[in-house]
Amino acid sequence: DAGITQSPRHKVTETGTPVTLRCHQTENHRYMYWYRQDPGHGLRLIHYSYGVKDTDKGEVSDGYSVSRSKTEDFLLTLESATSSQTSVYFCAISESRGQADTQYFGPGTRLTVL
Amino acid sequence: KQEVTQIPAALSVPEGENLVLNCSFTDSAIYNLQWFRQDPGKGLTSLLLIQSSQREQTSGRLNASLDKSSGRSTLYIAASQPGDSATYLCAVRNSGNTPLVFGKGTRLSVIA
Repeated sequence: DAGITQSPRHKVTETGTPVTLRCHQTENHRYMYWYRQDPGHGLRLIHYSYGVKDTDKGEVSDGYSVSRSKTEDFLLTLESATSSQTSVYFCAISESRGQADTQYFGPGTRLTVL
Repeated sequence: KQEVTQIPAALSVPEGENLVLNCSFTDSAIYNLQWFRQDPGKGLTSLLLIQSSQREQTSGRLNASLDKSSGRSTLYIAASQPGDSATYLCAVRNSGNTPLVFGKGTRLSVIA
């Protein structure tokens, strides 16, 4: 599992509340990613990071912000949660072995916005 | 913009059958392609990674092939078992360490 943990694993919240999801890795990987997975849409990239304080937007970044103040932690924040953000959120890292960059995923966070 | 398509969306086969899952991508200038397995309610498990310079990779009963020029990859599963039932996802990377672009997956059911 490349030492990736996500917290919380499940969360139920109400519309309009802020929510922060945490991804933690133990192996000093430089690249980290946040995806969401929804029926009919598959996995879509929200934001990614290529180093401490270095982040970029993905395909579905509206309504989300991220921060990476330490190599091991990548935080995803929903500033004001909406029902359309009900989803399963996956964190991933990219590991380079020789010339191969392999992506590994965390266990996911199931978020329900009521 | 890279787009990845997996057909069929769902597949049901009897135990013991050999099967092929298909993946196609629109931009052939890929860096690598990765196949994943996802069990219901679980995360993604990496199965195989093929570099753009490679034609195939094998792991046990799984064989993944890549035809970059035609924008296609296949995942071959030999002697399927009920434990192979899962969703299989194909994803491509356009350059080193850039985010993967995913297909929507093929949901496989192997019937005992």
